[in-house]
Amino acid sequence: AQSVTQPDIHITVSEGASLELRCNYSYGATPYLFWYVQSPGQGLQLLLKYFSGDTLVQGIKGFEAEFKRSQSSFNLRKPSVHWSDAAEYFCAVEWADSWGKLQFGAGTQVVVTP
Amino acid sequence: EAQVTQNPRYLITVTGKKLTVTCSQNMNHEYMSWYRQDPGLGLRQIYYSMNVEVTDKGDVPEGYKVSRKEKRNFPLILESPSPNQTSLYFCASGRSLGNEQFFGPGTRLTVL
Repeated sequence: AQSVTQPDIHITVSEGASLELRCNYSYGATPYLFWYVQSPGQGLQLLLKYFSGDTLVQGIKGFEAEFKRSQSSFNLRKPSVHWSDAAEYFCAVEWADSWGKLQFGAGTQVVVTP
Repeated sequence: EAQVTQNPRYLITVTGKKLTVTCSQNMNHEYMSWYRQDPGLGLRQIYYSMNVEVTDKGDVPEGYKVSRKEKRNFPLILESPSPNQTSLYFCASGRSLGNEQFFGPGTRLTVL
């Protein structure tokens, strides 16, 4: 069965510190991978996506993510967080054999402290 | 401005009273989808549509209906709402497989 797991429900990080959010998926078909961010009271915005090629992808707002096929992971990173990065982050996967079905992880809430 | 709009943004209703949440996009996208967001569960897909007159069930379609008569519109219909359908609903649109989905602002529905 297809699944997308974000192991961390909640992360607290100091402003200026680095951030890493984990995402793992389970299924055999080729995955198309996404990270979305949801600021309080807002809709979702795409941070970055991976389809193929270079496994390290750059996104908006200084975020990057690395696809590791052997670990079925697509972790999101930012070297230095800003207070405005406080939000909920969602990993999402669309599988090549089920076009149109986008499956989300449960989300990771990021709190940024001064 | 390219956008996905949803109406209403907030709705409080009672059990069994039929309602429709509208969704419209102005980006000429073929693909549209509905999600519900519940705490601790992330977003779960209700229905999606690849094109006009083509719709498919997502992971949680029970209690919902959709239609896609025009490319720009994709209304979500709750024929007999129940309290377990209290949730935050998002509509989204996109171009094709593996492409970004653009999300609407959300509709917060409360069913009493």
